[in-house]
Amino acid sequence: QVQLVQSGAEVKKPGASVKLSCKTSGYAFTDYAVHWVRQAPGRRFEWLGWINPGTVNTAYSQNLQGRVTITRDSYAKTVYMELNNLDFEDTAVYYCARLCCGQPFDMWGQGTRVTVS
Amino acid sequence: DIQMTQSPSTLSASEGDRVTITCRASQSINSWLAWYQQKPGKAPELLIYEASNLQSGVPLRFSGSRSGTEFTLTISSLQPDDSANYYCQQYSGYPYTFGQGTKLEIK
Repeated sequence: QVQLVQSGAEVKKPGASVKLSCKTSGYAFTDYAVHWVRQAPGRRFEWLGWINPGTVNTAYSQNLQGRVTITRDSYAKTVYMELNNLDFEDTAVYYCARLCCGQPFDMWGQGTRVTVS
Repeated sequence: DIQMTQSPSTLSASEGDRVTITCRASQSINSWLAWYQQKPGKAPELLIYEASNLQSGVPLRFSGSRSGTEFTLTISSLQPDDSANYYCQQYSGYPYTFGQGTKLEIK
C-alpha cells in the first residue's frame, strides 16, 4: 500500500541544521510531488516547500528566507528536507505529504518531531 | 499570501447532531479547497478535496460546499469517532495556507 515513512525525532541546538527524510513506497515515485509542512505548538500548519521528483523542480516558502532545501534520491524513492540555521521557533512536527493531479495531500508521512533547544 | 479564516475554534455537539465548520478565503481560490481531520498524535487525513469531492473511503456523513470564497464542512450525523481537529487548506496558489483549525468535541 501507499506509504510515506519519515525519519525519527531530532533534537538540535540553535544555529544547527537538520535533515529529515521521507521514504515513499507503493506508488510511482515520479507521479507525485512531495511537499513538506510543519505544525508548531499553538500555530497553524505552515507550508514549507515541494519537489517534483521527476523533474527535480522545487519551490520554497519565502517565509523561511532561503533556509530550506528539498532534494530527492530516485533510487531510494526518498525525499529529504534540510533546514539550516535553526531557531527555537523551528520547533515543530514536520510532515511530508504527496500531491498530484489537482488533488491536495492525499497521503502524509507520520511526522517527525524536531526540537530546537 | 491567501489568508484562511476558519470558525468556530471549538465546537461541542452530541452524537447524531448535524455540525458545520466554515472557512473563508481572503481572495478567490475557485474550488481549490481541502478539508482534513487530525486526531491527537496522528497526521492529518484528507476528507474533502476541490471543495465538495469526498475522498475515497471517507464516510458519506461528511460533505463540503462552496459559496464564493466561503466554504463549509458538514457532518450530517455526528459519531463518536468524529472527535478530532479539522482544518481547511487552500491549494490555489503558493504558499498553500491552512485555517487555524476547529476542535470538535462529542458531548
